[in-house]
Amino acid sequence: AQSVTQPDIHITVSEGASLELRCNYSYGATPYLFWYVQSPGQGLQLLLKYFSGDTLVQGIKGFEAEFKRSQSSFNLRKPSVHWSDAAEYFCAVVTLGGTSYGKLTFGQGTILTVHP
Amino acid sequence: EAQVTQNPRYLITVTGKKLTVTCSQNMNHEYMSWYRQDPGLGLRQIYYSMNVEVTDKGDVPEGYKVSRKEKRNFPLILESPSPNQTSLYFCASSFRQGEWGANVLTFGAGSRLTVL
Repeated sequence: AQSVTQPDIHITVSEGASLELRCNYSYGATPYLFWYVQSPGQGLQLLLKYFSGDTLVQGIKGFEAEFKRSQSSFNLRKPSVHWSDAAEYFCAVVTLGGTSYGKLTFGQGTILTVHP
Repeated sequence: EAQVTQNPRYLITVTGKKLTVTCSQNMNHEYMSWYRQDPGLGLRQIYYSMNVEVTDKGDVPEGYKVSRKEKRNFPLILESPSPNQTSLYFCASSFRQGEWGANVLTFGAGSRLTVL
């Protein structure tokens, strides 16, 4: 069965510092990978996705992520964090085929705190 | 505006009192899904529906029912709620999911349910 692991439950950075949130997946075939952000009291908003092609994908709000098949990773990065980036971030993978078409499996989430 | 609408947004109820959380989307999406979010566990899929009259269990279906009589609606039914169903619930929808590809989910704003 597929799984997604976000090793860091909580990360704190200073405003203006760089950010990397880790995501590792376990899935036999080529994965379809996503990063979502959840601001306090809000639903989930898509930051970026990887389906195929260029392994470095750009998203909204200045975020990017790199798919590394050899490491089964899809880490999220941002060069300079803003206070408004404080939120919870979720990595997710979609299962295609078999008996679980379209099942989106989420990681446990990483809470980002930004210090001024 | 394209959106997924959930109601109610907040609900406090008592053990055993049947309740329904409605979900409606206006994007003509075929795929709909329910998730629950609990601290440290991320989002876990309860049920999903590939199309009208087609539903299937996700990872945590016990204690829940769903129906998909119309394309736009996908209500979540708790026949006899228990305190362990206290959670934040999200409905989501997308165009088709399948072997040929995945589509991005659009999430509702969430429904916070407390069962006493």
